[in-house]
Amino acid sequence: KAGVTQTPRYLIKTRGQQVTLSCSPISGHRSVSWYQQTPGQGLQFLFEYFSETQRNKGNFPGRFSGRQFSNSRSEMNVSTLELGDSALYLCASSRWRGLANTGELFFGEGSRLTVL
Amino acid sequence: GESVGLHLPTLSVQEGDNSIINCAYSNSASDYFIWYKQESGKGPQFIIDIRSNMDKRQGQRVTVLLNKTVKHLSLQIAATQPGDSAVYFCAEKVGAQKLVFGQGTRLTINP
Repeated sequence: KAGVTQTPRYLIKTRGQQVTLSCSPISGHRSVSWYQQTPGQGLQFLFEYFSETQRNKGNFPGRFSGRQFSNSRSEMNVSTLELGDSALYLCASSRWRGLANTGELFFGEGSRLTVL
Repeated sequence: GESVGLHLPTLSVQEGDNSIINCAYSNSASDYFIWYKQESGKGPQFIIDIRSNMDKRQGQRVTVLLNKTVKHLSLQIAATQPGDSAVYFCAEKVGAQKLVFGQGTRLTINP
């Protein structure tokens, strides 16, 4: 079956702009998490959605937001882009919540954002 | 606090040798740990996991060891192959669906 699909794979924006990234989880998966990956900070948790509700949020400013639709697809938005927002944004899905019980968190290949 | 770190940022081994990648974590209450492999241009891929009620878990060519006394996690890869070259991350579950990742270790396999 298809894996986690993220679009776009690559994009370039300038400071001050906003960006929307999309994630389609594996069919049947209802939990979607977002992570930011940078060389300096590594992989950092952004937020998690389940049943169209944000269940957990990481330590990122309010410029970072997201949402989940009824079909479990998710989008994240970053407004007023800064140079430091350049990163690989990874989406991950799992069937349910509760990693120790559900096991794997399946990651997509990410959307690489460059802010100039 | 939430902190998962790795002792070595890079590791180079000969093909066929065994590799050991180490990880330290700080949250003694964590009950679930995962190792991920990330190849260039790809997202992290699940390798193996372990619950805190276990000391050791084995998979195909991989073994994870958990030492809760010193809050240490390790990943052993037996008979490394060129395809094992990647960055390896340990991750610690700190919420129902939230992981804290280590900085990663780049494993290079020499022919």
